[in-house]
Amino acid sequence: AQSVTQLGSHVSVSEGALVLLRCNYSSSVPPYLFWYVQYPNQGLQLLLKYTTGATLVKGINGFEAEFKKSETSFHLTKPSAHMSDAAEYFCAVSDPAYNFGNEKLTFGTGTRLTIIP
Amino acid sequence: NAGVTQTPKFQVLKTGQSMTLQCAQDMNHEYMSWYRQDPGMGLRLIHYSVGAGITDQGEVPNGYNVSRSTTEDFPLRLLSAAPSQTSVYFCASSITTWWTNNSPLHFGNGTRLTVT
Repeated sequence: AQSVTQLGSHVSVSEGALVLLRCNYSSSVPPYLFWYVQYPNQGLQLLLKYTTGATLVKGINGFEAEFKKSETSFHLTKPSAHMSDAAEYFCAVSDPAYNFGNEKLTFGTGTRLTIIP
Repeated sequence: NAGVTQTPKFQVLKTGQSMTLQCAQDMNHEYMSWYRQDPGMGLRLIHYSVGAGITDQGEVPNGYNVSRSTTEDFPLRLLSAAPSQTSVYFCASSITTWWTNNSPLHFGNGTRLTVT
């Protein structure tokens, strides 16, 4: 069975500061990893994903994440926070061999990011 | 493109009432799914479908029913509403083929349901 742990349900950073949202996963096979973002009163949208190949993945809006197999982590970062980054962020993991659609996609519990002016 | 459209946006039900949450997508996606989102619990999969006529249960299917008669529509039925079903419900779809699995999910904007 696979699982995702997001450390910190709420994170606050000042505008212009580094954003770091933590995600650790558990999987018995090399996983596919995702970050989704949810803005208020909207559905989730994909920020970035790791499947195979380069372990540093770049996404939309200046976000990036690094897959570290030895640490079973996939932390999300952004060098300089903007007010528009305020949202809830979800990490997700799937087993690529058994996820025909997305029925084996497991979401974390989310981290709410607040940006301080 | 409209993407994934959910109706209604808000709904209040009394315990024991039934209702249907509607979901439609115009992207010709084979895969469609329903999630519920509860505080501190992330998203949990209720039911999913990999194509018209094919549905299956997710993590939390009890109390919900689905059908998939067309590629575009995937309604979620609450058979007899209970306060524990108070939640935000999201419909999501994605491309599904054997060579493009794990495609990104496209979400609707959600239905906020309160059961009193």
